[in-house]
Amino acid sequence: DAGVIQSPRHEVTEMGQEVTLRCKPISGHNSLFWYRQTMMRGLELLIYFNNNVPIDDSGMPEDRFSAKMPNASFSTLKIQPSEPRDSAVYFCASTTTHQETQYFGPGTRLLVL
Amino acid sequence: AQSVTQPDIHITVSEGASLELRCNYSYGATPYLFWYVQSPGQGLQLLLKYFSGDTLVQGIKGFEAEFKRSQSSFNLRKPSVHWSDAAEYFCAVGGSGGYNKLIFGAGTRLAVHP
Repeated sequence: DAGVIQSPRHEVTEMGQEVTLRCKPISGHNSLFWYRQTMMRGLELLIYFNNNVPIDDSGMPEDRFSAKMPNASFSTLKIQPSEPRDSAVYFCASTTTHQETQYFGPGTRLLVL
Repeated sequence: AQSVTQPDIHITVSEGASLELRCNYSYGATPYLFWYVQSPGQGLQLLLKYFSGDTLVQGIKGFEAEFKRSQSSFNLRKPSVHWSDAAEYFCAVGGSGGYNKLIFGAGTRLAVHP
């Protein structure tokens, strides 16, 4: 089992640039979560998809953030334009609807200069 | 509102010593409770979970946790710590919002002295 796959693992960009983070959930999982981890705020849920549909996006910080899940095996989190305060580690996690355990990817470490 | 408190930000123990990491939660019903471990530069790995039944749960790497409803606690324990246990540990509560939305504690960073 390959686990949750995230790319890139590291991203350094300049303020104002567009950033796209990618996630491939575990095959067969139909629920996908995007989290952000910072020193100040810890781990925060940004958005939750079930069967490719966004169910809860209350954690998305502002309109600069958007997430999509065009199919069951791929999701993106986009930040446009990026700002230094977006610097964080972004995690993707997946599970099945009736399974409570979430499986996390290795994360993408984003630095916005 | 649901919340998780991990009172200890940093803990240092000697290798071979016992360990207890504290976790208190606030939740309106019987929670789903989790402990995850994060090694430097890595993602989160599930150590153990509690949903129902026996309040003492066993996990991987020799860890165990005990659910105490009266104290709203779910403390993580290990009888003898190994140097490889140095990591950050997160307690989480789930089950809210109609799906298993996880609320994480701030984490406890464990250092192990040889």
